[in-house]
Amino acid sequence: EVQLVESGGGLVQPGGSLKLSCAASGFNFSGSTIHWVRQASGKGLEWVGRIRSRTYTYATAYPASVKGRFTISRDDSNNTAYLQMNSLKSEDTAVYYCRREGGLWGQGTLVTVSS
Amino acid sequence: QPVLTQSSSASASLGSSVKLTCSLNGGHNTYIIAWHQQQPGKAPRYLMRLERSGSYRKGSEVPERFSGSTSGADRYLTISNLQSEDEADYYCETWDSDTQVFGGGTKLTVL
Repeated sequence: EVQLVESGGGLVQPGGSLKLSCAASGFNFSGSTIHWVRQASGKGLEWVGRIRSRTYTYATAYPASVKGRFTISRDDSNNTAYLQMNSLKSEDTAVYYCRREGGLWGQGTLVTVSS
Repeated sequence: QPVLTQSSSASASLGSSVKLTCSLNGGHNTYIIAWHQQQPGKAPRYLMRLERSGSYRKGSEVPERFSGSTSGADRYLTISNLQSEDEADYYCETWDSDTQVFGGGTKLTVL
């Protein structure tokens, strides 16, 4: 089955860290660019970053809102992408989705930043 | 940086057609966009990629009722023969070399 499955969400205190995983199956993961997108409750979609394939030297990019705090990586041998989130703030509370560029979305995982 | 503007809401009757608009800001009217659908309580779903020429390529299992078109800086999503399950939020997205941008989304109500 062609799918992306996120995991690793949960409750974390402000200033804390969390690492999300995005497990892929059914398609050429190693050749795909993977994005992370988040959605706060009742709000729209916000791009969080992306990682390109080995062909493009695993290049990453992030918006200003998370640059320096979030890091995207990937393990092609395990068909998994990761989102490492540090120095978390209350405004990072959202459902986090991974997405294959040009198509498939995961089902999302909820991150709550609260004391 | 590109900016996408969408109307916050739209409505149409069951069985009718609706055309949703996504507008690119000045200097970016040649950009390709993507349309995504998000039904209530669900993850977004990729609908299509839409080019400046009006040519579009849909994702897998996207019904034929969904189509795209272009006029200048505007990118459209047309849904024909509206069904109840089409009631959803619709987002457009575009990208530059190191950034991706989403429009604010249009909430479509099927009457």
